[in-house]
Amino acid sequence: KQEVTQIPAALSVPEGENLVLNCSFTDSAIYNLQWFRQDPGKGLTSLLLIQSSQREQTSGRLNASLDKSSGRSTLYIAASQPGDSATYLCAVIGTGNQFYFGTGTSLTVIP
Amino acid sequence: GAGVSQSPSNKVTEKGKDVELRCDPISGHTALYWYRQSLGQGLEFLIYFQGNSAPDKSGLPSDRFSAERTGGSVSTLTIQRTQQEDSAVYLCASSLAPGVNYGYTFGSGTRLTVV
Repeated sequence: KQEVTQIPAALSVPEGENLVLNCSFTDSAIYNLQWFRQDPGKGLTSLLLIQSSQREQTSGRLNASLDKSSGRSTLYIAASQPGDSATYLCAVIGTGNQFYFGTGTSLTVIP
Repeated sequence: GAGVSQSPSNKVTEKGKDVELRCDPISGHTALYWYRQSLGQGLEFLIYFQGNSAPDKSGLPSDRFSAERTGGSVSTLTIQRTQQEDSAVYLCASSLAPGVNYGYTFGSGTRLTVV
């Protein structure tokens, strides 16, 4: 069974810092990897989708990379802002069409 | 619709009662998923629909849980004889098609509290 791990579990940074969130998975046979953010009491908002044939995707201040062979993905957030404070979830989509989620990284950006 | 819609947004029920949770996926999306998120836990897969059929029911935690989807659209998750451990946020997601090349859109969830 696919296992997805996110490190760190929680992160607190001052505003303006660049930061990296890590995601690792045990089975490299994946279709896609998707990063989400979840605000308290809200559903999930999709940030970036990386197909298995791609190595990275960028959207604004966000950049996500994927290394299937090593079972790793990173989410890079540039020039962090207080509005970036949320829980960030990594999910891999396996060959069974099922999402496997990590437990998330809780990010706090301090003004 | 423009997004995945779930209802109710909040539900408080007494232990032992049955509840129904509803998900309206994005129009035209054939794949539909149910997940739940317990306090402090990660997202737990429950069931996946392709059209009206459920190829994967492996995540349903007990026979008190059931789900159906009709017309390839709306899905209902039913929990019978609710227990306190059923308290969680239940999230629904849909996708244009399962698997490759398609991302998933999540609803904002139903927060279920069993008292």
